[in-house]
Amino acid sequence: QKEVEQDPGPLSVPEGAIVSLNCTYSNSAFQYFMWYRQYSRKGPELLMYTYSSGNKEDGRFTAQVDKSSKYISLFIRDSQPSDSATYLCARHTGGGNKLTFGTGTQLKVEL
Amino acid sequence: GAVVSQHPSWVICKSGTSVKIECRSLDFQATTMFWYRQFPKQSLMLMATSNEGSKATYEQGVEKDKFLINHASLTLSTLTVTSAHPEDSSFYICSATNPRRVNEQFFGPGTRLTVL
Repeated sequence: QKEVEQDPGPLSVPEGAIVSLNCTYSNSAFQYFMWYRQYSRKGPELLMYTYSSGNKEDGRFTAQVDKSSKYISLFIRDSQPSDSATYLCARHTGGGNKLTFGTGTQLKVEL
Repeated sequence: GAVVSQHPSWVICKSGTSVKIECRSLDFQATTMFWYRQFPKQSLMLMATSNEGSKATYEQGVEKDKFLINHASLTLSTLTVTSAHPEDSSFYICSATNPRRVNEQFFGPGTRLTVL
């Protein structure tokens, strides 16, 4: 079982839709969780990180962590074509600063 | 800010040659830098962790003699792919941690390597 699992998509939604992106993880020792956005042929860009259960909101983005079910989600409200990218979730154990990434979900927001 | 640059952004080389990729933190001093490799439609795979002034720590399965990493200063790390072969063709991405924001990694734009 991979440490962090993500549905690769592609996920296609109309402009303005609410997008839900999800990851599951297997190791309860994971402390921090990140969401990165990666445009084609570019490096990942950090969107949000959280280290506790519950929700964290930043503009149109909401990150949600459920440690009891080992499930993390990213919600995008009022999605825009510019949101079309690959979204990567990652876990961070704290010590060593290493990140383990999921495979990424490709999102397409269509006009 | 936390800006990381990479050079070159893309490179094409012949099989058997060596290629050096530079990773620089532009507006902060990075005590730790990381090197990743990403194949098409796949996730980032950590290759090695690089700390300034010390030897890099390689992940299991990564050949340290093939992928030479040097972290000579707090703002520069280099990855040299030695005797490159077509199977080394990939997208190489570095990241750096800002001591003031230790839980975040800031990524460079990546270097696309094509070995003919």
